[in-house]
Order: sequence, then C-alpha cells, then structure tokens
Amino acid sequence: SQQGEEDPQALSIQEGENATMNCSYKTSINNLQWYRQNSGRGLVHLILIRSNEREKHSGRLRVTLDTSKKSSSLLITASRAADTASYFCATDATGGNKLVFGAGTILRVKS
Amino acid sequence: DTGVSQDPRHKITKRGQNVTFRCDPISEHNRLYWYRQTLGQGPEFLTYFQNEAQLEKSRLLSDRFSAERPKGSFSTLEIQRTEQGDSAMYLCASRPRQGGAGELFFGEGSRLTVL
Repeated sequence: SQQGEEDPQALSIQEGENATMNCSYKTSINNLQWYRQNSGRGLVHLILIRSNEREKHSGRLRVTLDTSKKSSSLLITASRAADTASYFCATDATGGNKLVFGAGTILRVKS
Repeated sequence: DTGVSQDPRHKITKRGQNVTFRCDPISEHNRLYWYRQTLGQGPEFLTYFQNEAQLEKSRLLSDRFSAERPKGSFSTLEIQRTEQGDSAMYLCASRPRQGGAGELFFGEGSRLTVL
C-alpha cells in the first residue's frame, strides 16, 4: 500500500498561475522527495527535502515540510503549459531502503 | 545517454505466457529497484537489490514473479503465467551507493498488456 496521499487528485490552472499540491504521510522519515511524470514516461526527480529542513527552493519550485503534521507541499510558481504532468511525493522512511510513493496529483496547465 | 534503460518498452502478450523485462541501471549505481504502476496510481515497490543481493521483496511479488541481478549489473524481472491483472507499467530505478542524495533515477518503463 502507498504511504503518501496527495491532494488534490487533479488540478487545472491557467498558464502563469501558481499550483500547490499537498502530500501527507504516516511514518517517520529521513527525507521526502517530489517527482514528476509525463504521460507514459518514467519519473523524474524534482527536489528532496530532509527531515530537519522546513523549506527548500529550486527554480520555480518551493517545497515545505512539516514533520509534526507529517505533511509536505509543493508550489510551482508562474506555471507553464510544459508543467502539465503528474506529480508524486515519495518518502524515504527511517531505517528503510526504498521510496514509498503516493497516488499523485495530475496537473493540467492551460495556455 | 548513460541513464537507466529498460527493454522492451512495450510488450503485449496472451494470458498464460511468460514475459521478461530487462533493466540496465546507471553504471556506478549499486542499488536497483523495480516498481509497478497501474493507471492513475503511483509506483508500488516490488523489489530491491544492493549489488547482486536481493534485499527486500514486496508481498505484491507473488511466486509468479522473479527478479535477478547477476553480477550486480543489469537486472531482469520475469513474470510467469501472466494474468490480466499483471497489465501495468514496470519501472526500474537505480540509486548511488549509500550516503548519496537519495534520489532515484528511473528508466522509461516497460508497459505490459496481457490480453
């Protein structure tokens, strides 16, 4: 079973708007990662945030982590049509060897 | 290109047939993972290798599934007596030695359709 739960399941916005996706998880973690997947393709790593970090930026991406609430959010600013994809959070559990993925958020950016 | 490569990209088979997928990880990565992804879902963990040793297997990996990583290089995932429920995308990923950043590098996947 998947540990992460993303919210919303689907999001449709206009180009230039910001997109926010949320992720909740259940166990203690070493880090939390976000991945992107274009339709029919493999996953691509976007950003990793460690359990002792609260916020991280990478280009137009901003990730926050609240370990007390076991939740994370991914913000994509100034979205582009090319950002249309599925976005997954994945947790690296403490003492574990694998990443556990959520069900994902489907983002559609309309031009 | 020195990324993770998977072969074949697409496989259509009839129920009851055996299929095998191959994954070539990034050469300096000693950890290799197989995931399965069905439509509208996130990847589900199947199994994990560190070098040639298979260190963890999911309960999803029934006795019809077997994975190997001889010599700690490429890996194969075989499904025997395929069922329609096996239809999915099978994703391979690799990861550098312990102490790395922790991200997984995925291949493009092998899509299986069982008729």
